[in-house]
Amino acid sequence: EAGVVQSPRYKIIEKKQPVAFWCNPISGHNTLYWYLQNLGQGPELLIRYENEEAVDDSQLPKDRFSAERLKGVDSTLKIQPAELGDSAVYLCASSLGAGSTYNEQFFGPGTRLTVL
Amino acid sequence: AQSVAQPEDQVNVAEGNPLTVKCTYSVSGNPYLFWYVQYPNRGLQFLLKYITGDNLVKGSYGFEAEFNKSQTSFHLKKPSALVSDSALYFCAVTFSGNTPLVFGKGTRLSVIA
Repeated sequence: EAGVVQSPRYKIIEKKQPVAFWCNPISGHNTLYWYLQNLGQGPELLIRYENEEAVDDSQLPKDRFSAERLKGVDSTLKIQPAELGDSAVYLCASSLGAGSTYNEQFFGPGTRLTVL
Repeated sequence: AQSVAQPEDQVNVAEGNPLTVKCTYSVSGNPYLFWYVQYPNRGLQFLLKYITGDNLVKGSYGFEAEFNKSQTSFHLKKPSALVSDSALYFCAVTFSGNTPLVFGKGTRLSVIA
């Protein structure tokens, strides 16, 4: 069974440019998460989807970040415009069981973003 | 607010010796506790979790963790460390089924042959 797939794995852009990350969760997983991981820190939740509905986006900086999961499967996270401080690893995770955050989460390898 | 602390940035252990990676938590209700491991250039992998029941939880790769409510701790242990256990370990906590996991800063485990 394929795991969580993310692309690209690495991205280098100049500040003020837009960037998008893509995630394909494990088949059948209702819940999808986007996390931000800064160097030397643990992951921090940006947004959680139950199927196509964003049920927790309280930590998403909505002035520049947006996300979508239109058909309840794949998801895209966008930053526009990117700032130097956005350089980090962006992790996608998925889990079974809508409405429960204590199910095991399966993580993708992440996208390492560098903003110059 | 819920939080989790991993007091050690780095733990060094000789191969074959027992290892402990420490984690303490703070939540307003009953905690749900997790350990994840991260290898270089790979995503986090689930090791084990405590939801309810027996305080000693056994997980993947021979790891186990003990939930201690009085000390608000959930330390990760393994009786005999392997060089391949060298990685970054994260403790995480939530206290309901609808609040996000809060991760610690991580502890880098280095097992020396």
